[in-house]
Amino acid sequence: DADVTQTPRNRITKTGKRIMLECSQTKGHDRMYWYRQDPGLGLRLIYYSFDVKDINKGEISDGYSVSRQAQAKFSLSLESAIPNQTALYFCATAGSNQPQHFGDGTRLSIL
Amino acid sequence: QKEVEQNSGPLSVPEGAIASLNCTYSDRGSQSFFWYRQYSGKSPELIMFIYSNGDKEDGRFTAQLNKASQYVSLLIRDSQPSDSATYLCADGRTDSWGKLQFGAGTQVVVTP
Repeated sequence: DADVTQTPRNRITKTGKRIMLECSQTKGHDRMYWYRQDPGLGLRLIYYSFDVKDINKGEISDGYSVSRQAQAKFSLSLESAIPNQTALYFCATAGSNQPQHFGDGTRLSIL
Repeated sequence: QKEVEQNSGPLSVPEGAIASLNCTYSDRGSQSFFWYRQYSGKSPELIMFIYSNGDKEDGRFTAQLNKASQYVSLLIRDSQPSDSATYLCADGRTDSWGKLQFGAGTQVVVTP
C-alpha cells in the first residue's frame, strides 16, 4: 500500500463546481503539503500544515481552501472551480527535519 | 525573478556518459537543497539532499553544493535510459526544511 494516498486520481468537472481532493498518509508525519504543477512552472505550494491545528498559505492559495481533519488527513477544496485551476495536484508529507515525500497525484481538468 | 533557476533542457546525454545538471538559488541564507526525479506523469521522488559545501555521493549520483556561488549541481554517472526524466532542484530555505522552493526542472534524455 502507498504511504501517501491521493483521491481521486483523475477528475473532470465543470466550471463553478465545488471539488475536494483528499490526501491520507500512513507515515505518521506531522507535516503535510498541497502543490500544483503546471507545465514549465514546476511545483508551486498552495497550502501547508505542520500539525493538526496549524494551517498556512503557500504562494498560490487564492481560490483554494484546506482542512486538516486529523494528523493523517489533509484535504484541498476548490470552492468554485475555474478552468485555470486545471493542473496536476500533489500532496506531500514530511517528518520534522525530513525530506518531503509525494503522493501519486491527482490530474484535475476543469471544463 | 525566479528564486530557484534550472535550465529546462532537454539535456541529451549518450548512454554511459555523465549528465551534469545545474541549479542556482537566490536566497543567501538557504541551508539545504534537494534533488527529485520525476518521470512523465508520475510523482517526484527524492534522489538525495545536501546541506554542506562540497560533494555528496550516493551510488551513481553526486550532488555538489557551493554556497558562496549559490549553486547546486547533480551529476549522474554512467547514465542509463531509465535516467530519462525531469530533475527538480528544491531549496529548503532556513526553516528546518519546512517549505521547499522548487525550480521548474531540467529534462534529461539518455540516448542509447
